[in-house]
Amino acid sequence: NAGVMQNPRHLVRRRGQEARLRCSPMKGHSHVYWYRQLPEEGLKFMVYLQKENIIDESGMPKERFSAEFPKEGPSILRIQQVVRGDSAAYFCASSPLANQPQHFGDGTRLSIL
Amino acid sequence: SQQGEEDPQALSIQEGENATMNCSYKTSINNLQWYRQNSGRGLVHLILIRSNEREKHSGRLRVTLDTSKKSSSLLITASRAADTASYFCATVQGAQKLVFGQGTRLTINP
Repeated sequence: NAGVMQNPRHLVRRRGQEARLRCSPMKGHSHVYWYRQLPEEGLKFMVYLQKENIIDESGMPKERFSAEFPKEGPSILRIQQVVRGDSAAYFCASSPLANQPQHFGDGTRLSIL
Repeated sequence: SQQGEEDPQALSIQEGENATMNCSYKTSINNLQWYRQNSGRGLVHLILIRSNEREKHSGRLRVTLDTSKKSSSLLITASRAADTASYFCATVQGAQKLVFGQGTRLTINP
C-alpha cells in the first residue's frame, strides 16, 4: 500500500525558470494539501484541493504559484519564474476525507541557483 | 498569527529518559495533533487528541490537553535513539489546513 509519492525528491532550477512538483496521493484519498517548509521551521500551509477543485488557497502567494489536482493523474504545484526565496522543501499530504489525519510524502527539496 | 508554539525548541536527553515537549496555541480547536519528522523526511502522524479529551495514550506516547490554558504536552517515555527527530503540534483551521509550530528538535544520546 504505497504512501504519498512526491517527485522529484530534489529539484534544482535557475532564477526565472519554472518548477513543477508532483504529488500522487495515497490510494483512495481525494483530498490533497501542499505545505512549504523553510530550514529550521515548521510547515506552512499553501493550498488544499479536492479532485478538480481548489478548496482553500489562502496560503498561496498571489503571483507565480498555482496548483491543480486533475480528475486523472497527480496533483501539480507549479512555480513560475522562480526566485531564490522559493528555495524550500515542499510537502504534499493526502487524506481520504476532510476530517481525517493527513498522510505526508517525503517532500521535494527545491533549490534555486 | 503563529499557532502551535512548541517549547523547548531543542531537547537533548540520554537514552531511557523521558522527554516532554509542550505546545501552546491561540484559537479554539476541535482537536490537536502531534507529528514527528525525521531528518530529510515527511511528517508522520503520531496522535490526535480531541478538545473534549484531557489525556490520550499510544504506546510510549502520552498526550495531554488543557483547553483552558490552550496548551498540550507530548511525553515520550523510555526514550530510544530512534526517537531522535523533530516533533510538531498542529491545529486545524478553516477547511482542514494544519497550522504547525516551529517544532522541538529532540536528540536522544546513546
